[in-house]
Amino acid sequence: QSVVTQPPSASGTPGQRVSISCSGRNSNIRGYSVNWYQQLPGAAPKLLIYSNNQRPSGVPDRFSGSKSGTSASLAISGLQSEDEADYYCAAWDDTLNGYVFGTGTKVTVL
Amino acid sequence: QMQLQESGPGLVKPSQTLSLTCTVSGDSITRGGYYWNWIRQHPGRGLEWIGNIYYSGSTYYNSSLKSRVTMSVDTSKSQFSLKLSSVTAADTAVYYCAREVISETGNWFDPWGQGTLVTVSS
Repeated sequence: QSVVTQPPSASGTPGQRVSISCSGRNSNIRGYSVNWYQQLPGAAPKLLIYSNNQRPSGVPDRFSGSKSGTSASLAISGLQSEDEADYYCAAWDDTLNGYVFGTGTKVTVL
Repeated sequence: QMQLQESGPGLVKPSQTLSLTCTVSGDSITRGGYYWNWIRQHPGRGLEWIGNIYYSGSTYYNSSLKSRVTMSVDTSKSQFSLKLSSVTAADTAVYYCAREVISETGNWFDPWGQGTLVTVSS
């Protein structure tokens, strides 16, 4: 059983806003920054958000991240068809002494 | 632009040792401020962190795999490697190498290699 959980799926129509939650513990999300990764079908994961809410260059500002307490969230505004992918949150866990990934959320554009 | 490329056998027999290498190009593996990581993804499943290594050779492993994992680095070849011993079918996965950026605000994995599928089967 993963220590960081995400909803298995989320969906929206083009242009809509979709939000993905990432629920963790005091040992991970509360104490450490959260990163988000996007995995397009058949591809390797790619950094989407780092340090809770920072976007790497090249990532559209439609993607935003936030964190509060033991939870984090990723929001996609103005959903586009190319946003169909799996999304994973990740953080360090000081009980496990290692990185933990969320269970992943599959985003579908209807 | 930095790139990472995994290489190694795609098929390993049960009880044997899985060996993979990640070749780093576009920047120096000895540049400070980075760890070098292995992460795997079981078919149709989520991501699992295996461990990391610094260019000096210091390592940090996932406690659940620690007894079977060995990582090493060859700075002359800009490569780092993973060995996973006593493999079973449960080790069948896509294995990714990734650079971990160390910063004051936290660390993150960027970039990632394209991944390589390793199947454990007789």
